[in-house]
Amino acid sequence: AQSVTQPDIHITVSEGASLELRCNYSYGATPYLFWYVQSPGQGLQLLLKYFSGDTLVQGIKGFEAEFKRSQSSFNLRKPSVHWSDAAEYFCAVGGKGGKLIFGQGTELSVKP
Amino acid sequence: DGGITQSPKYLFRKEGQNVTLSCEQNLNHDAMYWYRQDPGQGLRLIYYSQIVNDFQKGDIAEGYSVSREKKESFPLTVTSAQKNPTAFYLCASSILGADFLPFFGPGTRLTVL
Repeated sequence: AQSVTQPDIHITVSEGASLELRCNYSYGATPYLFWYVQSPGQGLQLLLKYFSGDTLVQGIKGFEAEFKRSQSSFNLRKPSVHWSDAAEYFCAVGGKGGKLIFGQGTELSVKP
Repeated sequence: DGGITQSPKYLFRKEGQNVTLSCEQNLNHDAMYWYRQDPGQGLRLIYYSQIVNDFQKGDIAEGYSVSREKKESFPLTVTSAQKNPTAFYLCASSILGADFLPFFGPGTRLTVL
């Protein structure tokens, strides 16, 4: 069955520290992978996507993610976190047929 | 500007009443989706549609109904059969195929009193 696991429900980092949010997926074919961010009460904003090619993808707001097929992972990273990055982050996997399956989300808090 | 519109942003209904949530897109996307979001449970797919006049059930379709009479519109009706309707509802749309990339609307928060 297709699934996405985000092992960390809540992460707290200090402003200026590096960040890594974990995502593992289970998918029968080569997946399309996404990271979205959501501020409270808002819709989802796309941070980055991976379809094929270079396994390190760059996104908006200084985020990047690395696709590791051998580990079925697509972890999100940022070298230096800003207070405005505090939000909930969702990893998702999908195929050309159009269904998008989400992880449970990771809530990020940023300490001053 | 192109985008996805959901209205209203907040909706209140009495228990036992049906309610319809609106979703409109002007992106010329073929596919549209409805997700439900509850705290700590991520987003769960309710219904999706890949073409006008056709739609498929998602993982939690019970108590919901949809229609897709126009490419740009995909309204969701929460019926009285839905046992726990209070939630945040998100609509999305996408091109299909190699350019699959879902965009989301701002959401509607439904509260059933």
